[in-house]
Amino acid sequence: NAGVTQTPKFQVLKTGQSMTLQCAQDMNHEYMSWYRQDPGMGLRLIHYSVGAGITDQGEVPNGYNVSRSTTEDFPLRLLSAAPSQTSVYFCASSYTVSGRGGDTQYFGPGTRLTVL
Amino acid sequence: GDSVTQMEGPVTLSEEAFLTINCTYTATGYPSLFWYVQYPGEGLQLLLKATKADDKGSNKGFEATYRKETTSFHLEKGSVQVSDSAVYFCALTLGGGATNKLIFGTGTLLAVQP
Repeated sequence: NAGVTQTPKFQVLKTGQSMTLQCAQDMNHEYMSWYRQDPGMGLRLIHYSVGAGITDQGEVPNGYNVSRSTTEDFPLRLLSAAPSQTSVYFCASSYTVSGRGGDTQYFGPGTRLTVL
Repeated sequence: GDSVTQMEGPVTLSEEAFLTINCTYTATGYPSLFWYVQYPGEGLQLLLKATKADDKGSNKGFEATYRKETTSFHLEKGSVQVSDSAVYFCALTLGGGATNKLIFGTGTLLAVQP
């Protein structure tokens, strides 16, 4: 059981380049999400998905796209990278959208992105 | 809006010292409360949680009690070790649709010296 995996671990982009951060989980979790971590700001939600084919915006969605074609995968796309997107990105998943709000989320190891 | 406030770090302690990291929250409804820990170079992992008032979460010697009257969820440990050095995040989720959205505090860096 690999849990939540993310690739790449590190990436350097130039302004205007595009790329996709990959996220996969093998726990059959319904809920997946992307966060960015910036110094002094904790983690902020970018996009989330409650199941295959369903996505929605979080707190800071601008500049990012997502899709969820399978239960396992939830890629995050940067269409035109900007220096403000320099951050550490974490993918997370949890088993169920239970309505109780107490489900444990499992995080991947992160992708450190630098945009020059 | 809904938010989490936790004490700023870094917190520097000697091994075997008592640890408290304060966390308070503002939320509509009845949130679930979490402490996540991030060890150097790693992702976040759940340390403990509590889903209703007066619940106590505990794990690895850490404890936190959900206090609705003071809207707090302070993290405590009686005797810290060097291996506890990490960043600790307090967080909450709310009931209702898309209930798994975590709202995080800014994190508190703990450094334990031998």
